[in-house]
Amino acid sequence: RKEVEQDPGPFNVPEGATVAFNCTYSNSASQSFFWYRQDCRKEPKLLMSVYSSGNEDGRFTAQLNRASQYISLLIRDSKLSDSATYLCVVTSSGSARQLTFGSGTQLTVLP
Amino acid sequence: DAGVIQSPRHEVTEMGQEVTLRCKPISGHDYLFWYRQTMMRGLELLIYFNNNVPIDDSGMPEDRFSAKMPNASFSTLKIQPSEPRDSAVYFCASIMSGLNTGELFFGEGSRLTVL
Repeated sequence: RKEVEQDPGPFNVPEGATVAFNCTYSNSASQSFFWYRQDCRKEPKLLMSVYSSGNEDGRFTAQLNRASQYISLLIRDSKLSDSATYLCVVTSSGSARQLTFGSGTQLTVLP
Repeated sequence: DAGVIQSPRHEVTEMGQEVTLRCKPISGHDYLFWYRQTMMRGLELLIYFNNNVPIDDSGMPEDRFSAKMPNASFSTLKIQPSEPRDSAVYFCASIMSGLNTGELFFGEGSRLTVL
């Protein structure tokens, strides 16, 4: 079983739709959680951290469920520019040097 | 400010040839990582350095792969001899210790094709 698992998609949604991605992790000792975004043929970039109480950044909401060991990302009012691959990232020690990346979920927002 | 700089951006080579990928981390960052990304396996950590010292190379696929960091501003990843299955995008990333934000700064990657 992979340490971090994501539905690869692709998710094709119309502009303005709400879309949610889930990610599961296998190591119950995992401490920190993040979502990265990777545009086609570009490098990954940090989108947002995921806090235990859940957190929001504009149209993006991240949730953490430690009991079930999953993380979610909700995108509201999706824009064409949201089209990208979203990578779920987990650390085992709370340190960036122990980051484990999921394989990513591909999102295409259609006009 | 300059980000992580990688070269070459693209390389096409023939099986058996030596490949050297280069990376300049962000100034002041004391951790440097080499990742490989393929469609099949996603983003895999190959090796990382702290203060120029290799800390964990358990992700290096085999002896054909080697990495060095002779100083704080330069690292290389070498594949000798290269094989078609090494075709991938190789990313270098850096971070400053003490910043536990989870934000790794990636270079634009080196896209390697081995024929």
